[in-house]
Amino acid sequence: DTAVSQTPKYLVTQMGNDKSIKCEQNLGHDTMYWYKQDSKKFLKIMFSYNNKELIINETVPNRFSPKSPDKAHLNLHINSLELGDSAVYFCASSPRLAEGTDTQYFGPGTRLTVL
Amino acid sequence: GQQVMQIPQYQHVQEGEDFTTYCNSSTTLSNIQWYKQRPGGHPVFLIQLVKSGEVKKQKRLTFQFGEAKKNSSLHITATQTTDVGTYFCAGHPGGKLIFGQGTELSVKP
Repeated sequence: DTAVSQTPKYLVTQMGNDKSIKCEQNLGHDTMYWYKQDSKKFLKIMFSYNNKELIINETVPNRFSPKSPDKAHLNLHINSLELGDSAVYFCASSPRLAEGTDTQYFGPGTRLTVL
Repeated sequence: GQQVMQIPQYQHVQEGEDFTTYCNSSTTLSNIQWYKQRPGGHPVFLIQLVKSGEVKKQKRLTFQFGEAKKNSSLHITATQTTDVGTYFCAGHPGGKLIFGQGTELSVKP
């Protein structure tokens, strides 16, 4: 069974469109994250949710809106897609948010290409 | 902002050679984590170091946490082609986990 799953794996879309990426974890973790990995492989945190509550919002354009219906799910909706949004988006979860207990379990990633 | 710096960005080695990647922070870290990302894959947790001067080994991999808890290193002895990938350190300079830029390792057979 996949611990952290994301759909879709690949997403190719036109500039200006709106798209969503879904994430689910079956580890019973309290905290979930969205990361963006650019072409240089730099991993940048975007959002963190702890038990459905937004904890970290890292100066991400408000075109990006996360939503956590329950602590096992964290979805990412992106409005008005831009070329610069092309990247791999990773969902991750950790047992808790506190330092030392936030080992990240990553999903397989969603490769977003904006044309 | 707070950063965790990692060098080198790329390392190409011949199979059998050793490899080291270094991670540095300007502020004290409460702990440091290391991850490996295979080409086309996702980052996978390797280890966490918490204590000053701590050294941990996993087969051919040796992880060190500096005495001042501001730096860390990952050393691989006698690299194999299965070691290829990008190695990330991630530390807590204050409140949240910050990833280094990663070191991409390629191994020539």
